[in-house]
Amino acid sequence: GAVVSQHPSWVICKSGTSVKIECRSLDFQATTMFWYRQFPKQSLMLMATSNEGSKATYEQGVEKDKFLINHASLTLSTLTVTSAHPEDSSFYICSTSPPRLTTGELFFGEGSRLTVL
Amino acid sequence: KNQVEQSPQSLIILEGKNCTLQCNYTVSPFSNLRWYKQDTGRGPVSLTIMTFSENTKSNGRYTATLDADTKQSSLHITASQLSDSASYICVVSANGQNFVFGPGTRLSVLP
Repeated sequence: GAVVSQHPSWVICKSGTSVKIECRSLDFQATTMFWYRQFPKQSLMLMATSNEGSKATYEQGVEKDKFLINHASLTLSTLTVTSAHPEDSSFYICSTSPPRLTTGELFFGEGSRLTVL
Repeated sequence: KNQVEQSPQSLIILEGKNCTLQCNYTVSPFSNLRWYKQDTGRGPVSLTIMTFSENTKSNGRYTATLDADTKQSSLHITASQLSDSASYICVVSANGQNFVFGPGTRLSVLP
């Protein structure tokens, strides 16, 4: 079964509105979660690393005020795209790795497709 | 700089044929290497994991190899099926926590 659950799978919103995407770790407590963005036919691009109980670490070029990340619990991280515009339309994926496990096991969510009209 | 390169960028083969995808990396310190399969519009799914001491590992029709000396890995797909059409991503882990992604290889299997 799924280890990481993402919701919603797809969302369509009007330009200027905000959209929240949830990422849940189902089988273990995830102190760290990763958020990626993927444009059509391109590779995954890491946006930010979400750390439970502290501020997220954003990759260069990613606007932290536009992509709000909250990791308030050990099983849930949320990504909020604020004031979305058509260029934010993309496939957003989260992943996490079991803590204290050094095998490098990364579990991915099913992804959330955002379309901004 | 930690980097992962993959080749070819895209590949088209006929159903039933075999193919090999390549991954070269410059990640240090090396912890492990994973191959993921990503179907269009889905999240990546792990195929194999290779640690430093492993040379070959199979998962059904998928066989991964690792040469830690030359820092190269390959993913061999045998008797391809239409459902193998996907992107294959090589991910190298440093210290088991930092993950470096390759750009992926887009495989199309035609009937």
